[in-house]
Amino acid sequence: GENVEQHPSTLSVQEGDSAVIKCTYSDSASNYFPWYKQELGKGPQLIIDIRSNVGEKKDQRIAVTLNKTAKHFSLHITETQPEDSAVYFCAETGNQFYFGTGTSLTVIP
Amino acid sequence: KAGVTQTPRYLIKTRGQQVTLSCSPISGHRSVSWYQQTPGQGLQFLFEYFSETQRNKGNFPGRFSGRQFSNSRSEMNVSTLELGDSALYLCASSWGGAVNTEAFFGQGTRLTVV
Repeated sequence: GENVEQHPSTLSVQEGDSAVIKCTYSDSASNYFPWYKQELGKGPQLIIDIRSNVGEKKDQRIAVTLNKTAKHFSLHITETQPEDSAVYFCAETGNQFYFGTGTSLTVIP
Repeated sequence: KAGVTQTPRYLIKTRGQQVTLSCSPISGHRSVSWYQQTPGQGLQFLFEYFSETQRNKGNFPGRFSGRQFSNSRSEMNVSTLELGDSALYLCASSWGGAVNTEAFFGQGTRLTVV
């Protein structure tokens, strides 16, 4: 579906704290949900993804959870570091990628 | 393994001109998708090519077109440029067996229309 809502649009956290970004989608046929990190002057970089047959996936300090019934998925970053500062995009796929509007994360040293 | 390569990185064009952007996907990837990124509209899907055929198309006017070659490299063309076409144009490549596979982006081409 074309409606992917992402919140918050900006997020500031202290170094070491956790950050959570949430997305909701409308197309119940969507089955793949990637998250991208985009640093200034660079293209988006795939950081983690989840498929609809999985409820949670973790990769070191990053985790993604998916609730298909409620049609929302979240990115969790623990023990944040200054280098985590970037814009994060969620996406969902039906027959193409639909991206959220992005969250600008700032980690304050 | 080389990543996705987009050329040129920066481009300045005048209204009414046309422009061609190039994207070389990761070796072995057969799908190339193009996106327009602007501060106001975010990341918007333009089109996707798989094995030289357009598989999906977004909601952009016909001035935006693309093609894919037998080596999977892709080009995007914008004709009759408008000021509003100023944006970062990104391409992403994936293995492409299905639409819902991992996609890897290039660094983008920054197009400025004056």
